[in-house]
Amino acid sequence: GAVVSQHPSWVICKSGTSVKIECRSLDFQATTMFWYRQFPKQSLMLMATSNEGSKATYEQGVEKDKFLINHASLTLSTLTVTSAHPEDSSFYICSARGTMNTEAFFGQGTRLTVV
Amino acid sequence: KNQVEQSPQSLIILEGKNCTLQCNYTVSPFSNLRWYKQDTGRGPVSLTIMTFSENTKSNGRYTATLDADTKQSSLHITASQLSDSASYICVVPGAGSYQLTFGKGTKLSVIP
Repeated sequence: GAVVSQHPSWVICKSGTSVKIECRSLDFQATTMFWYRQFPKQSLMLMATSNEGSKATYEQGVEKDKFLINHASLTLSTLTVTSAHPEDSSFYICSARGTMNTEAFFGQGTRLTVV
Repeated sequence: KNQVEQSPQSLIILEGKNCTLQCNYTVSPFSNLRWYKQDTGRGPVSLTIMTFSENTKSNGRYTATLDADTKQSSLHITASQLSDSASYICVVPGAGSYQLTFGKGTKLSVIP
């Protein structure tokens, strides 16, 4: 299957700082990327959907000013957690879908810990 | 509301034994159903995708079944290995969009 690379795999940051997570599709062009958050023992929860060159569509309850999503190219999307707080500590996962396939491939996830 | 329910919530089996995980869904209209394996601290990895017309599909020691009439799917793991320890997630996309409805997963622990 196609490869989606997420970086970093884990990050620890201080409360109040911002953290950027990258999601890259390595061998296909990702027209759509999805960002998920997963709390311990919970299922993946969709945060936002982004199409290349367009503004992201956020799910209800997700603050767009806090979770900035950029999808400026067909191979890269970024999620920036601004002014992070301990309650933002979670596992963030991206997935990407190309134009020629209906399946979305997941990145390996980023463990964010805010202290 | 689209829902995906999985059972059991967790399962412990001895290495070498078989097990079956269940998934019931209410997503409509239905296009396909996916099973993913998620290791702790990792992203989900696709095991199989089943379309409406498929009843059974195998991927190595993993065999998935689908009954579109009863809206049930199962994932059977044969001759389990320690490396099978993970969460197994059932996912059903909504038709016409790419909103995925995730089950909460079954946490499988294979012990020696």
